[in-house]
Amino acid sequence: DSGVTQTPKHLITATGQRVTLRCSPRSGDLSVYWYQQSLDQGLQFLIQYYNGEERAKGNILERFSAQQFPDLHSELNLSSLELGDSALYFCASSGGYGNQPQHFGDGTRLSIL
Amino acid sequence: DQQVKQNSPSLSVQEGRISILNCDYTNSMFDYFLWYKKYPAEGPTFLISISSIKDKNEDGRFTVFLNKSAKHLSLHIVPSQPGDSAVYFCAAGRGYNAGNMLTFGGGTRLMVKP
Repeated sequence: DSGVTQTPKHLITATGQRVTLRCSPRSGDLSVYWYQQSLDQGLQFLIQYYNGEERAKGNILERFSAQQFPDLHSELNLSSLELGDSALYFCASSGGYGNQPQHFGDGTRLSIL
Repeated sequence: DQQVKQNSPSLSVQEGRISILNCDYTNSMFDYFLWYKKYPAEGPTFLISISSIKDKNEDGRFTVFLNKSAKHLSLHIVPSQPGDSAVYFCAAGRGYNAGNMLTFGGGTRLMVKP
């Protein structure tokens, strides 16, 4: 158990809809990261938050947004969903200082019908 | 442009023997490298890391070697056990600061046969 909690585990929705994925980091971790893993692909970095502020941005679509709340949990919002958005979405957290490893949750599997 | 590559999609070894997983990178700005193990339906689990100021780091059965001039790192598992069967990802990061994005390789599926 990594200590990172992601909900829901599975999400099935239709094209054009909007969903919110939630992540609770490990106790004490200030940084939260979101990654996307599409079929047969490695993990692609989307965005990082550190103590409530956006820290780094990767290949995140404009239809996607994220935020980190004062209690340090984070939400990833995906809107105007397309078939190609079907993927595993992972959240990770780290201590937020130095080169500390990121610890991953078990992911949310998003299926767009 | 894949900055981190794992050229072997799969590897099969006998229980008790050594498993060697390889990873190449192209970005010389990377200075922190990690290996993760992933079982189906679970998130990646951190195994071991190495900073660019070192060329070797060891933790139990796992050793990571870094060759900066060749931009190559490898993970050695000795001895290999059936429970090690999983997908292994190498990852690289930049900068010694408060957390950082990681760039992942495509993964290598390791199968350890009893």
